[in-house]
Amino acid sequence: DAGITQSPRYKITETGRQVTLMCHQTWSHSYMFWYRQDLGHGLRLIYYSAAADITDKGEVPDGYVVSRSKTENFPLTLESATRSQTSVYFCASSDVELAGVSTDTQYFGPGTRLTVL
Amino acid sequence: GQSLEQPSEVTAVEGAIVQINCTYQTSGFYGLSWYQQHDGGAPTFLSYNALDGLEETGRFSSFLSRSDSYGYLLLQELQMKDSASYFCAVRDQSRDDKIIFGKGTRLHILP
Repeated sequence: DAGITQSPRYKITETGRQVTLMCHQTWSHSYMFWYRQDLGHGLRLIYYSAAADITDKGEVPDGYVVSRSKTENFPLTLESATRSQTSVYFCASSDVELAGVSTDTQYFGPGTRLTVL
Repeated sequence: GQSLEQPSEVTAVEGAIVQINCTYQTSGFYGLSWYQQHDGGAPTFLSYNALDGLEETGRFSSFLSRSDSYGYLLLQELQMKDSASYFCAVRDQSRDDKIIFGKGTRLHILP
């Protein structure tokens, strides 16, 4: 049981290229999240999804696109990569409480280290 | 709005006890979570406090005071493997209940 996986683990790309980061979870968790982590900023939420076909913006969504056609997958696309998007990207998932909101326990993937030249 | 404040770095000696504090300001409050992250690794969930008091899980304990908007993570019998960053996190009602993380406390352990 792999839990939550991300691919690729490392990626180097050039400014202006499109890049897609993949995230897959095997728990059938309702909620999935994308964070970026940069020194001095901690974890910042990019986008999240409450269920298949439901996505919403987080704190820093500009320059990113997400989709969620299946519960288990939540890809993140950088449409035209910029140097400021060099970061470590974490995908996470969480279950849902009875009230329908995400629980406080999030399970993180191993991360993708992205470098934009 | 919301904010989470925690020290950027803490240093302690192997075998000792260390406390990492977190103060928060949120629109509504459900509870305080703690995550651990080793260098190059992913954050992993440690604990969650919804009610006042101390929750103990092995060498790690977490405390919450809702009236003071304050919590802490207590690590006992420190081991070198505890060297990591520790993040507190809360859900913020003003942001659709999304979880907001503090900037993290880097714990250095000296032999």
